[in-house]
Parts: sequence; C-alpha cells; structure tokens
Amino acid sequence: DAKTTQPPSMDCAEGRAANLPCNHSTISGNEYVYWYRQIHSQGPQYIIHGLKNNETNEMASLIITEDRKSSTLILPHATLRDTAVYYCIVRPLGNTPLVFGKGTRLSVIA
Amino acid sequence: ETGVTQTPRHLVMGMTNKKSLKCEQHLGHNAMYWYKQSAKKPLELMFVYSLEERVENNSVPSRFSPECPNSSHLFLHLHTLQPEDSALYLCASSQEGEYSPLHFGNGTRLTVT
Repeated sequence: DAKTTQPPSMDCAEGRAANLPCNHSTISGNEYVYWYRQIHSQGPQYIIHGLKNNETNEMASLIITEDRKSSTLILPHATLRDTAVYYCIVRPLGNTPLVFGKGTRLSVIA
Repeated sequence: ETGVTQTPRHLVMGMTNKKSLKCEQHLGHNAMYWYKQSAKKPLELMFVYSLEERVENNSVPSRFSPECPNSSHLFLHLHTLQPEDSALYLCASSQEGEYSPLHFGNGTRLTVT
C-alpha cells in the first residue's frame, strides 16, 4: 500500500507556481520523500527527493514540514509541458522498490 | 532519451502466442525492475533484479517469466496471456545505494486479444 495521500487532481494557470501537496503522516525516520511525474504515454520521471531539509533542483523545489508528516512540491513557473500525473512516494534508505499510489493529475491551463 | 530503452513500444498478441519484452539500460546501473500499469490503476511492481539475481517476485502469475542475462538487459517472456494482462509494462533501473532514484523506460503497450 502507498503510504501517501495526494489530491486526485489540480489545475494551474500557465506561468504560475504549481504547489502539489502530499500527506505522509506515518513516515518513518529513515524514509525519504520522492517525487516522480508521468507524462502521458511515457514512463515516470524522477523529479526530486528529500529527507527533512528543503531541496531545490532545476525542475522543482521540495518543502518538507518540520514534523515530516507532509510535503509540497513546487513547480515555480508551470508550463503546458508540466501537465502530468505527479507521484509522491516515501521510501526507506537503500534500494527498496518504489510503491506508487494514484498521484495527482496536474493540468496546466493556458 | 531516458537511458532506459524498451522494445517494442507496442505489441498485440493472441492468448496462445509467446512473445518477449526487452529492456536495455545504458546508465551502468546494477538493479532492474518490471512494473505493470493497468488502466486507472497505480503502477504495480512485478519483479526486481539486483546484481542479476531476482530478489523480488510480487506474486506474479507464471505466464510472466523474467530473465536478466546481465546488468544491462532485462526481458519479460510472455506466454498464454489473458486479456486482463493488457497494460503498459515499464522497465526501470537504479544503482544500489543510498539515494538512487529509479530511471524508467517509456514502456511497452501490450494488448492481448
């Protein structure tokens, strides 16, 4: 079973920031938060991951609450190509396989 | 270009056919995975290979048979499938270690008639 809860869908205007929430209230101390996205007809694409500090890379920022029970993925300037299903996954340190939930379908609107 | 290549992209097969899906990774990873994605369902993990040994088999029916001849190649052999096996089959690879994300191919869309 996926250990995360995400809204099934969200809309975002093109050029605006997309803020995708994720609840992981049962996260363990050794579990990381990973985010992936899946654009239609493609395989999932890794975006970012974090443990407890906020993280930023060229694709997105990840904000994790101090109690680690929730996080937010931020796409600072959403484009139409960011339309996809976004998956939030918690995963222990090491090579444990990813367990996917249903994710959030983000629609970026012109 | 994801670094993980799957062939064919699309496959239509009858229930009595035997076919194979192929996955090749060009990333130097040492773990490979098969996932199944059915319509309106989350991705389901099928098999995991680490250092060419199968380390996980998620109660997958025996009509699906994986093979990992080396760390760069992974196959999924299919025989006597059912229409409900129609799905997108995704291959992924990763490097064993602390933070290694999975890198996915774009999948094979399988239709069983």
